[in-house]
Order: sequence, then structure tokens, then C-alpha cells
Amino acid sequence: EVQLVESGGDLVQPGRSLRLSCAASGFTFGNYAMHWVRQAPGKGLEWVSGLTWNSATLGYADSVKGRFAISRDNAKNSLYLQMNGLSAEDTAFYYCVKDPESVAGSHFDSWGQGTLVTVSS
Amino acid sequence: QSALTQPRSVSGSPGQSVTISCTGTSSDVGGHNYASWYQQHPGKAPKVMIYDVSKRPSGVPDRFSGSKSGNTASLTISGLQAEDEADYYCCSYAGSSYVFGTGTKVTVV
Repeated sequence: EVQLVESGGDLVQPGRSLRLSCAASGFTFGNYAMHWVRQAPGKGLEWVSGLTWNSATLGYADSVKGRFAISRDNAKNSLYLQMNGLSAEDTAFYYCVKDPESVAGSHFDSWGQGTLVTVSS
Repeated sequence: QSALTQPRSVSGSPGQSVTISCTGTSSDVGGHNYASWYQQHPGKAPKVMIYDVSKRPSGVPDRFSGSKSGNTASLTISGLQAEDEADYYCCSYAGSSYVFGTGTKVTVV
């Protein structure tokens, strides 16, 4: 069974940084592309960024470009999101999401339960 | 990338059919056969219900179906059941990114 467990969400002040982690199990992590998708409380879903199996970036949402960086460590079955220059607009649940393909797939086939990032002074 | 346009809400009685539309552009929905649909119950993570416009993952009931015409994808739930009450989001690959829809709340009345 695929399991994706996010961690690292916290209450942080505007302008500060935070690093999210996602621990994957139940599948061969190094064979699949992975993504981060976020959802502000009570709002819709927004794709944040994605990474191919061999760490080629699939891109970033315009709203986070230049501030966020996605990475992975296949030896540790882990996905990361480094978030810098945080603002209130980044307040959201951040989901770790599995792609069914090794590069950019057509959809997202497994989701973690999410970790909450709150940006507030 | 602008969010794909979905109706804010749709409703139906048990056993009825409802259809949710998802309108984008030729750069996303219209330009790729990669529309997908996600169901999200309150406090839960989204779950894929339809991918590649009309394919159903194993375990998803066949009362869920998808289609596409031009720049608009659609999700139809036939034989509506109480457990289908949830938020539904469409999504499309857009070349160098992915774009989600605005979301539709399905209410079973």
C-alpha cells in the first residue's frame, strides 16, 4: 500500500523559511515523479511543483517561483520542499503527491494527508 | 495559469445523475487528453476518480464517467449515492505545469 507522510508544517512569521518533508513507502519511490500540491483552508487545490524520478524539475507555480525549491533523495525515499520568503498567501495544507509515471504524468494517483503551514506574525 | 472554471455547486437526489463541467483553454484542457477528476471529502485528502479524460482507476465505481469536448471536460455521476456528497476538482496538464479547477460541491438532497 502506498503511504506518503508529510512533516515539517508549522506556524512561521512572514519572510521566514520552512522545509517540508515527505516520507514514502509501499512502492519503489525512485521510479516515479513526485509533486507538491497545496490547499489554503476552505479553498481549492493548487499545484506547487513537481520533480521527475531523477530530479529534473517539472516546474513551479508562478506564485512560488524563485522562492520555493523542490528536491528528493531516492536513497531515503523522501521528497522535500524548501520554502523561503513566506507570506500569508502561502498558508495552506501541503500535500505530497505521487505521479503514476517516472516523468510528467497525466494525473496524481496517491496523496498524503497533508501538513499545515501557517504564515502569520 | 488561471484556474479551470467549474460550477460552484450542483445537487441531485439519490439515484439521479449530475454532471460537472470544467472549462479551460486550448493550452490545457483542449490541448491535451489529460483531464482528471478528484473527489475530496471534508478533512480528507483528494482521491483520483477519473484520469486521461475518461479512464477509471480500479476501485472507482462505474457510475463515475468522464468526457471532453473542445476546451471543456465533464464528470458525470450516475445513480447518485449519499457517499458521493463531496467536493470535486478537475485538473489538466498544461505543458509545463498542472492547473486545477475552482471546485464543485456536490450535494445529495
